[in-house]
Amino acid sequence: QKEVEQNSGPLSVPEGAIASLNCTYSDRVSQSFFWYRQYSGKSPELIMSIYSNGDKEDGRFTAQLNKASQYVSLLIRDSQPSDSATYLCAVSNDYKLSFGAGTTVTVRA
Amino acid sequence: KAGVTQTPRYLIKTRGQQVTLSCSPISGHRSVSWYQQTPGQGLQFLFEYFSETQRNKGNFPGRFSGRQFSNSRSEMNVSTLELGDSALYLCASSPTGGADYGYTFGSGTRLTVV
Repeated sequence: QKEVEQNSGPLSVPEGAIASLNCTYSDRVSQSFFWYRQYSGKSPELIMSIYSNGDKEDGRFTAQLNKASQYVSLLIRDSQPSDSATYLCAVSNDYKLSFGAGTTVTVRA
Repeated sequence: KAGVTQTPRYLIKTRGQQVTLSCSPISGHRSVSWYQQTPGQGLQFLFEYFSETQRNKGNFPGRFSGRQFSNSRSEMNVSTLELGDSALYLCASSPTGGADYGYTFGSGTRLTVV
């Protein structure tokens, strides 16, 4: 079983719609969870961090964490063409990040 | 505030050679991590350093090594290069590397082994 799994995608959404990304993790003791955005040819950029159960909102992004289900999600509201990128879920343990394979999102104008 | 600086940006090496990559963290960040990114394996953790001490190491062969200096700058070295070492090598820094902080990535070094 992989440490971090994401819905594989690719995900195509129309401009203005909600993009929903999902992630599950295997290590129950994990405490810190992150979403990174990576544009093609660029390095990952941290867009959200979440540490406790529930929702965390930052602009058009909402991260949701459910530790009992070992599940993390990211919602992108009012999707824009500039949101087209690969989104990586990452879980922190023992001074390292374990990444999912990423979900590629394309926002159609 | 300067970000994470990695040098060089691109490298082409021949099989069997060795290579050294450099990383300067964000000022005040004492934790530096290294990751390898390939299309097939995604982002994989290499190692993490804090105050010149390696605190964790990923599942890579001993040809991959690293170190951190007293000013928090870090280098990683790959000896006896193989074609499969071609990848984007990313450095990330964090204030302490603990669970409460995210990591900021540099632009990476694109290594091509021929």
